[in-house]
Amino acid sequence: EPEVTQTPSHQVTQMGQEVILRCVPISNHLYFYWYRQILGQKVEFLVSFYNNEISEKSEIFDDQFSVERPDGSNFTLKIRSTKLEDSAMYFCASRWDTELQYQETQYFGPGTRLLVL
Amino acid sequence: AQTVTQSQPEMSVQEAETVTLSCTYDTSENNYYLFWYKQPPSRQMILVIRQEAYKQQNATENRFSVNFQKAAKSFSLKISDSQLGDTAMYFCAFMKPYGGATNKLIFGTGTLLAVQP
Repeated sequence: EPEVTQTPSHQVTQMGQEVILRCVPISNHLYFYWYRQILGQKVEFLVSFYNNEISEKSEIFDDQFSVERPDGSNFTLKIRSTKLEDSAMYFCASRWDTELQYQETQYFGPGTRLLVL
Repeated sequence: AQTVTQSQPEMSVQEAETVTLSCTYDTSENNYYLFWYKQPPSRQMILVIRQEAYKQQNATENRFSVNFQKAAKSFSLKISDSQLGDTAMYFCAFMKPYGGATNKLIFGTGTLLAVQP
């Protein structure tokens, strides 16, 4: 069964460093999402992406964050200058849809655990 | 704005017994989707069950079923014949339909379920 994959599974970085989190969505999916979950808290929406542009972003998704789909398969989240409070689990999700039928389910990747020191 | 509330931070159940997890939500929308996601210790997000608001019939997936009360804005998850592998954090989530790429999931704070042998 196709699944969303994410790399790396864990990343440790120093405050102020740039990190890129990578996701490979399910191949026929068209809509892509990033969520984050600070330890012990709920999952929060960061950004949605469709047709090579951001569709919606939350207030968390400030200028330090960017997303990109550099080729036909990868979907990346970049944090330009990491802060301690960026330490969290980051989930990528994808969804497909057609003109004929709405498909509501988002499929999640296994997450990347980011630790900023 | 939509909100999702899970009032039970933790629950415990004996193996083979039945447990019900509560979820309430607030929305002015008439049509929407509701989901239960499971997050085991690995922290991967796994879809358990989904419900479309315009469908009267409660969704069922094997041992998992929901009690959807639209007027009360309540969406509880019943797990029958609980198994040790059901031990996980369970998140209730809401999504507006037909919003294209902006179909973000809004999550509750989660209920940590422990299945005791």
